[in-house]
Amino acid sequence: EAGVAQSPRYKIIEKRQSVAFWCNPISGHATLYWYQQILGQGPKLLIQFQNNGVVDDSQLPKDRFSAERLKGVDSTLKIQPAKLEDSAVYLCASSLGSGGLYNEQFFGPGTRLTVL
Amino acid sequence: QKEVEQNSGPLSVPEGAIASLNCTYSDRGSQSFFWYRQYSGKSPELIMFIYSNGDKEDGRFTAQLNKASQYVSLLIRDSQPSDSATYLCAVKDYQLIWGAGTKLIIKP
Repeated sequence: EAGVAQSPRYKIIEKRQSVAFWCNPISGHATLYWYQQILGQGPKLLIQFQNNGVVDDSQLPKDRFSAERLKGVDSTLKIQPAKLEDSAVYLCASSLGSGGLYNEQFFGPGTRLTVL
Repeated sequence: QKEVEQNSGPLSVPEGAIASLNCTYSDRGSQSFFWYRQYSGKSPELIMFIYSNGDKEDGRFTAQLNKASQYVSLLIRDSQPSDSATYLCAVKDYQLIWGAGTKLIIKP
């Protein structure tokens, strides 16, 4: 079974530029998550999709970040304009669902973003 | 603000010893608890899940949950150098709240 795919793996941009990340979840997984992980910290949920609807985007800086999951499969996360503090690893994860006691999240390899 | 607290470490343990990792959480409504392992430069992967008070064992790993004390721990027996990683505690009510992780170093 193929895992969660993400691209690009690395990205270096200058502040005020824009950047986009792509994620393809495990086939059949209804729930997709975007996390931001700053070095030395735990993952911070940016946005959670259930199929193509948004479940939680309370921690998404909506003035600069946007995300979409068209057709309920793959997803893109965009930052425009980027700030220095956006330097982090952006992790995409997917799970079969999000309800109940147990829902294992499977993570992609992440995109390491450096903003200069 | 729901919080999950972990000692950031590093926790240094000799090879073959028991490593004990701890996590406390603020939300009494939390129902399930996860331990993820994250190697340096890699993504988190699930190693243990527990939702009932008491112990749950899986190979060298034991998760312990005490809901009254709002405390969950992970024990790693016969620690190996390959166990060196950051261990993330995550707590679920209707959403998953993550701790910052504890860095574990197993010394040969």
